[in-house]
Order: sequence, then C-alpha cells, then structure tokens
Amino acid sequence: QVQLVQSGAEMKKPGASVKVSCKASGYTFTSYYMQWVRQAPGQGLEWMGIINPGAGSTTYAQKFQGRVTMTRDTSTSIVYMELSSLRSEDTAVYYCARDSRSYTGGFDNWGQGTLVTVSS
Amino acid sequence: QAALTQPRSVSGSPGQSVTISCTGTSSDVGGYDFVSWYQHHPGMAPKLMIYDVTKRPSGVPDRFSGSKSGNTASLTISGLQAEDEADYYCSSYAGSYTRVFGGGTELTVL
Repeated sequence: QVQLVQSGAEMKKPGASVKVSCKASGYTFTSYYMQWVRQAPGQGLEWMGIINPGAGSTTYAQKFQGRVTMTRDTSTSIVYMELSSLRSEDTAVYYCARDSRSYTGGFDNWGQGTLVTVSS
Repeated sequence: QAALTQPRSVSGSPGQSVTISCTGTSSDVGGYDFVSWYQHHPGMAPKLMIYDVTKRPSGVPDRFSGSKSGNTASLTISGLQAEDEADYYCSSYAGSYTRVFGGGTELTVL
C-alpha cells in the first residue's frame, strides 16, 4: 500500500533553516508528483509547492519563492522540503501529499505531518 | 494567489444534508474542472473526499458529492453522521502547476 513517512518534529530558531523529508513506498516513486502543504496553528491548509520526482522540476507558491527548495533522491524514494530564513510565522505542521494524477489530481495520500516550531 | 472563499462554519443534525461552498475566480475554480475537497480531523492527515469536481475516491461514501457552477464549487454531505464532524477544505488547480486552498469550513453535527 502507498505510504508516505515524514521525518520527525523540529525546533528551530528564527533565521535558521529546516529540511523535512518524506519517504515514499508502495508505488513507483517517479510516476507521481509530490505536493507540499502546511497548516499553521489555528489556520487553514496552505499550498507550498510541487516537485516532479522523475525530472526533479519544481514550482513554488509565490509566497515562498526564494525561501523554499524541494528536492528528491530517486535512489531512496525520498523528497525533501527545505525552508530557510525561518520566522515565527513558519511554525506549522508540514505535509507531503501525493498527486493522484500528474499535477492536476487530488492529493490521494498524505504523510503524517511534521511539526516545525520556530522560537527563540 | 488569494485563497478560495469558504464559509467559516456550517452545521446540521444527523440525517440532514449540508452544503459547503467554495468561491474562487476564473483563474482557478472557474477555469478548470480540477477542484478537490478534503476532510481534516484535528491531529490527523487530511483525507481526499472529492476530486475533479465530482469524482469520489474508492472508499468514500456516496453521501459525499461535489458540483460546480461558474466560479463556485460545492460539497454536499447528505445523511449527516457524527463522524462527518471535521474541517473541510476545497482546493483548485490554478494554472502553471499551482494550487490554491480555501480557508476551510468547520462542520458541526448537532
């Protein structure tokens, strides 16, 4: 069965960077785009960006451009999301989610979420 | 990219039907038939309930249905059950590989 397993909770200071991993299993890793979504406390879901694990190409939400980098390692079926210049507003649960069809489908499988806390 | 507009909350009694609206623009909801809906229980990962405006993934009860008219998509839940109480989010493809989410709607089953 499809599984997305994310790395554990992180605590960072303002200005630092965080790198969250998402290990995929149960399907052909390079055949499905991966999306990243976050949810800050008391807020809604927010789309961050997408990576094509096959080609490595990425598109980021305008809000995060310049601060976010999504990469992948096809040998281990892991995608990464790195967010830099962290500020308190980046405190959130970060999710990876598989796109069910290229880059226009529903997000049919989600990771368990990674809590990133930014605090001095 | 502005978030899609959803009501903050809706409620209904068991057995009743509720509809949650999701309003965007011609650049997202109105421009593509790629609207999806997610159910989110606190502390858990979101769950896909509807994709491509009207389609249900396997395992999702047919009590959940989706529709769209112009720039507004809707999720209807009929025969409300206690376990339907959750937050619901719409999302739309917005071109150039991008997505946008709605602000979320809290569903209370009275």
